[in-house]
Amino acid sequence: DTGVSQDPRHKITKRGQNVTFRCDPISEHNRLYWYRQTLGQGPEFLTYFQNEAQLEKSRLLSDRFSAERPKGSFSTLEIQRTEQGDSAMYLCASSLPSTRGRETQYFGPGTRLLVL
Amino acid sequence: AQSVAQPEDQVNVAEGNPLTVKCTYSVSGNPYLFWYVQYPNRGLQFLLKYITGDNLVKGSYGFEAEFNKSQTSFHLKKPSALVSDSALYFCAVRDIGSASKIIFGSGTRLSIRP
Repeated sequence: DTGVSQDPRHKITKRGQNVTFRCDPISEHNRLYWYRQTLGQGPEFLTYFQNEAQLEKSRLLSDRFSAERPKGSFSTLEIQRTEQGDSAMYLCASSLPSTRGRETQYFGPGTRLLVL
Repeated sequence: AQSVAQPEDQVNVAEGNPLTVKCTYSVSGNPYLFWYVQYPNRGLQFLLKYITGDNLVKGSYGFEAEFNKSQTSFHLKKPSALVSDSALYFCAVRDIGSASKIIFGSGTRLSIRP
């Protein structure tokens, strides 16, 4: 399977713990995105990388959230001091560059986080 | 601000009948519009997109969508529904104020009965 992969697929943690998710994009896709999806809602944009540079962050990305893409390949999303409101599906997507936003974003299977 | 609306939370169709999942958009300028499908416990799969050109866009799995500028709509259609089409469908629009952000609708659950 050469699609976007995410690990783990499921994570249960206790409030106050730190969690880290990993995303491996489609090979040669230099753009990588993180979204969050809560139950009954569409995905909401969190952040975007082009190669290793984090170019955009949503206001949804509080100080407890940090994302990295150190070598321009895989990315990690860390949530510190988790809260019950962080429970959601975290989706990663990747794309090739395209002019003026015409690119198609391809999504991974997501990591479902439950904070107890 | 850019947005999309999916007015129906659920659409029920009998297998073999045509289906339509509705989407309307609100953007300034020319919209870039997308449809994605989400199966249970899985990520989103790209179906099709409208950037420019023909108003009728053909996509994966026999789906198509019609861009209507005067009605600001981008409805998803399929001539003959399959039970396997049952899933959650999301309409989305490219946020022109962002480097690469997509704004999603709230989703429409499509249920195809045998």
